[in-house]
Amino acid sequence: QVQLQESGPGLVKPSQTLSLTCTVSGGAISTGTYYWSWIRQPAGKGLEWIGRVYTSGNTNYNPSLKSRLTISVDTSKNQFSLQLNSVTAADTAVYYCARGPNSNNWYSVDYWGQGTLVTVSS
Amino acid sequence: QSALTQPTSVSGSPGQSITISCTGTSSDVGSYNYVSWYQQHPGKAPKLMINGVSNRPSGVSHRFSGSKSGNTASLTISGLQAEDEADYYCTSYTSNTTVYVFGTGTKVTVL
Repeated sequence: QVQLQESGPGLVKPSQTLSLTCTVSGGAISTGTYYWSWIRQPAGKGLEWIGRVYTSGNTNYNPSLKSRLTISVDTSKNQFSLQLNSVTAADTAVYYCARGPNSNNWYSVDYWGQGTLVTVSS
Repeated sequence: QSALTQPTSVSGSPGQSITISCTGTSSDVGSYNYVSWYQQHPGKAPKLMINGVSNRPSGVSHRFSGSKSGNTASLTISGLQAEDEADYYCTSYTSNTTVYVFGTGTKVTVL
């Protein structure tokens, strides 16, 4: 059973960089042909796909965040990470890491972390 | 890339059937059978309920079914139960640079 766990600071100051790590357990992150994503959800609002990384390091980003965004993978640690630069209050949200979307699973996201709240405030 | 359009809320009585729509465009829902549906209870991570328009992952109740016609996908919940009260989101692959897009979300209330 694949499990994902987000970790990182819960409070980030405006204009600084938000950094989160997702640790995958229950299997090697490099096993199979999987993408790994970050998804966020502001309080009381809907889900927004941030971007995804393949185990080779290839990425796809949401164009609305692309200029501030880096998603990377470290297969030796079974982790992938998110860096979002120049944050504002609008980046305050629960951030989820997840497996997918993958073409071998109908472009669905099948495993999710529990989510971590990141607040942008001085 | 705009989000897929869903009704804000849908309600029904226990035992009834309800349907949630998800309207996209020819760049996403209309051209690909890559529509998924997720259920999210308050304070919890979303759970995959349907993928590939109408496939039910293992462990998902047969009361949940999906379909698609043109640019609109639908999720039907039959025999509505109290535990079905949650938010539901559709998603789709898109040929736009966004790659993946969520719906606006629908709150299901069991009366």
